[in-house]
Formats: sequence, C-alpha cells, structure tokens
Amino acid sequence: DGGITQSPKYLFRKEGQNVTLSCEQNLNHDAMYWYRQDPGQGLRLIYYSQIVNDFQKGDIAEGYSVSREKKESFPLTVTSAQKNPTAFYLCATSTGGRETQYFGPGTRLLVL
Amino acid sequence: SQQGEEDPQALSIQEGENATMNCSYKTSINNLQWYRQNSGRGLVHLILIRSNEREKHSGRLRVTLDTSKKSSSLLITASRAADTASYFCATASFTGGGNKLTFGTGTQLKVEL
Repeated sequence: DGGITQSPKYLFRKEGQNVTLSCEQNLNHDAMYWYRQDPGQGLRLIYYSQIVNDFQKGDIAEGYSVSREKKESFPLTVTSAQKNPTAFYLCATSTGGRETQYFGPGTRLLVL
Repeated sequence: SQQGEEDPQALSIQEGENATMNCSYKTSINNLQWYRQNSGRGLVHLILIRSNEREKHSGRLRVTLDTSKKSSSLLITASRAADTASYFCATASFTGGGNKLTFGTGTQLKVEL
C-alpha cells in the first residue's frame, strides 16, 4: 500500500447525504483511479484521471463525482444520487494507463 | 465491463501443492497483469506479461499467455498458507478502451495446513 493513503478506513453515510473519500499519493504518478468492489466481486472502474485538471468517467460513474486539482490528490464524492453506495472503495495510481497499478488500503462505506 | 473471467471462482488446496488459476479475455490486449488481494485490503501487483511474451516467472509464480486463445494462467508452486487470498487478472487493451485496466472477477484461493 506504501505511498497511497485513503481515509477514512470506514465511513458511514446517512440517507440523502454526500460523502467524500480521500486519496493521497506521494509516488509522483500522473494517473489515478477509483474502483468500487462489492462483496465477492471484481473491481469496477468509477472514474480515472491521467493528468491534473482532467478526468474521465469509468464504467459506473453515475452518482459519483471527482476532482483533480493537485497531482497528489484525487477525492471521490459519493452523492445522494448513488442509491446503493455500500461497498469497498479502492484508489490506485500508475505511471501510465496500461502499466502496473498501485493500490491504497481502501475505504469501506456503509449506509446508516 | 468485465473483460477478464477467472476460473475457477474458488480453489482449495493443501500446503505444498501447486495452485493454477486461469483467465480468459475477449479483445486484443497490450498486456495482462495479475494481482493479489488479501481479505479487506488493497490489491498488490504480482506480475505483468506483455502481448509479445508467452511465459514469465517471478519467484514461485509462473504466468503464461496464449493470445491465440485469449487466455492466461497463473501457477503458484509449493503453496503456503500465506498465499490464501483472491487473485485477479487485469487486461490493458491494445487499442481503444482508454488508458485503463479492466479487472476480472477473481479466484479465491485457500491454502490449508
């Protein structure tokens, strides 16, 4: 996990609330990614960013938003439009889109 | 979309045995990667094999790639209890698909003492 921090480890969301998951890296990687993992499932891509101030939707972007104002940071907001947000969220970085990805420890989001 | 499909979904073996898991994919690839995930943790990269390579080794790991069959296999030799984890393949498309990886659904490996 070294070099990538995700906070918090556990996050609770109330009905109708927006919550923001943090992802910070000190690897000096250009590319950053957000994935969602449901129990016993693989990873599904939410959003990714190849460079500062630019990002693209992944396969399941609806109900989520991101920003990339700094190279080190790629926060993910889970909005109230995401009706089933309970999942394990993983942030990753890489030097380039097709190369090895390095993952953070994850944030588990639960709905109250 | 899930391009990679791992087989089997779950595998249980005794310590010291070899474990083989397979990955099939649908489109042309630039490279294929294998990752490991311990329960409740992030993924860890194990090995990357490029489309022009057929076999690669790293310690107790051996990966093969058959682009004609669009499949790859991961072999873990002399398994240990600490190898218990989920293993995922991920593919990078050769053209199109954006600069990203597509992950499979994973194989859950349990190594028993």
